[in-house]
Amino acid sequence: AQSVTQPDIHITVSEGASLELRCNYSYGATPYLFWYVQSPGQGLQLLLKYFSGDTLVQGIKGFEAEFKRSQSSFNLRKPSVHWSDAAEYFCAVGARGSQGNLIFGKGTKLSVKP
Amino acid sequence: ETGVTQSPTHLIKTRGQQVTLRCSSQSGHNTVSWYQQALGQGPQFIFQYYREEENGRGNFPPRFSGLQFPNYSSELNVNALELDDSALYLCASSLASGTGGLPYEQYFGPGTRLTVT
Repeated sequence: AQSVTQPDIHITVSEGASLELRCNYSYGATPYLFWYVQSPGQGLQLLLKYFSGDTLVQGIKGFEAEFKRSQSSFNLRKPSVHWSDAAEYFCAVGARGSQGNLIFGKGTKLSVKP
Repeated sequence: ETGVTQSPTHLIKTRGQQVTLRCSSQSGHNTVSWYQQALGQGPQFIFQYYREEENGRGNFPPRFSGLQFPNYSSELNVNALELDDSALYLCASSLASGTGGLPYEQYFGPGTRLTVT
């Protein structure tokens, strides 16, 4: 069955520290991978996506993610976290022919300590 | 450029009632997807509309239905509401050139919070 696992429900980091949010997927076809961020009371905003090519992708707000096929992972990273990054982060996977049918993980809530 | 808007923001309904949620897609987009996000969960795909036709459906019963209008706005209708229908309903729009291509970048609205009592 297709699935996305985000092992960490809640992560707290200090402002200025580095961040890595984990995402593992299980998908039979070629995966198309996304990271979204959701602030309280807001919809989801796309941070970055991976379709093909370079396995290290850059996104908005200083985020990047690395696709590792051998580990079925697509971890999100940021070298220095800002207080405004506190939000919930969702990893999602889609497939060719299913433009709207993204399968989301349960999310990781990020808290930032001053 | 106008983003995706949804109405209403919040809604309280009683079990057994019917509800209609509305979504205006981003300017220039022709595809709308609807997702249900229960508390503490990631969004779950309900269905997608492309050029006024349903183009894919998730694991939701037929009492969840939708429409897309010529201006690409959309409605989600839920009949015979159940307590478990309480959730945030998200609409996302995108620009697709067909029905068999790559997943398109979706732009999400702020959602409608539905509470069923």
